[in-house]
Amino acid sequence: AQSMTQLDSQVPVFEEAPVELRCNYSSSVSVYLFWYVQYPNQGLQLLLKYLSGSTLVESINGFEAEFNKSQTSFHLRKPSVHISDTAEYFCAVSDQAGTALIFGKGTTLSVSS
Amino acid sequence: NAGVTQTPKFRILKIGQSMTLQCTQDMNHNYMYWYRQDPGMGLKLIYYSVGAGITDKGEVPNGYNVSRSTTEDFPLRLELAAPSQTSVYFCASSLEGGWGEQYFGPGTRLTVT
Repeated sequence: AQSMTQLDSQVPVFEEAPVELRCNYSSSVSVYLFWYVQYPNQGLQLLLKYLSGSTLVESINGFEAEFNKSQTSFHLRKPSVHISDTAEYFCAVSDQAGTALIFGKGTTLSVSS
Repeated sequence: NAGVTQTPKFRILKIGQSMTLQCTQDMNHNYMYWYRQDPGMGLKLIYYSVGAGITDKGEVPNGYNVSRSTTEDFPLRLELAAPSQTSVYFCASSLEGGWGEQYFGPGTRLTVT
């Protein structure tokens, strides 16, 4: 069965520092991988996704994630974070039937000045 | 487009009461989902639907029920509310199921006392 493991529950960083949020997946089939962001008191929004092709995918606000099949990882990175990036981040994998997503438990990113 | 709308935003229930959480989407998506989010636990899938008239259980269906009579609406019914159902509930919809973006509503915060 598919599963997602987010390796850090909380990541505190200073503004303009680089950040990496780590996520490992477990799957016996081809995977579709996603990162979602949840700002306080809101629903989740798609940040980026990997379906096929280039293993490096980017979002419009400077985040990127790399699909690493050998390490079964899909880590999220940003070279320089802003206060406004403070949020909870979830990685997710498509289930085997392709009907639903399986989410990790989330990583809280706290950016301070 | 309103996207995915949920009502109510907040609700307090007494143990044993029942209620229906409403969810409507205007994007003509076949796939719809109900999740619950508890602190540090990520999102757990309660029920999902792949089209009008078709529903299936997710990871945590006990104590809940759903129906899908139209493409637009996917209500979640809680019968005999229990304190363990205190949570934030999110509805989501998708055009491509597990292979594409899920669009989330703003959530319903439910407290059972």
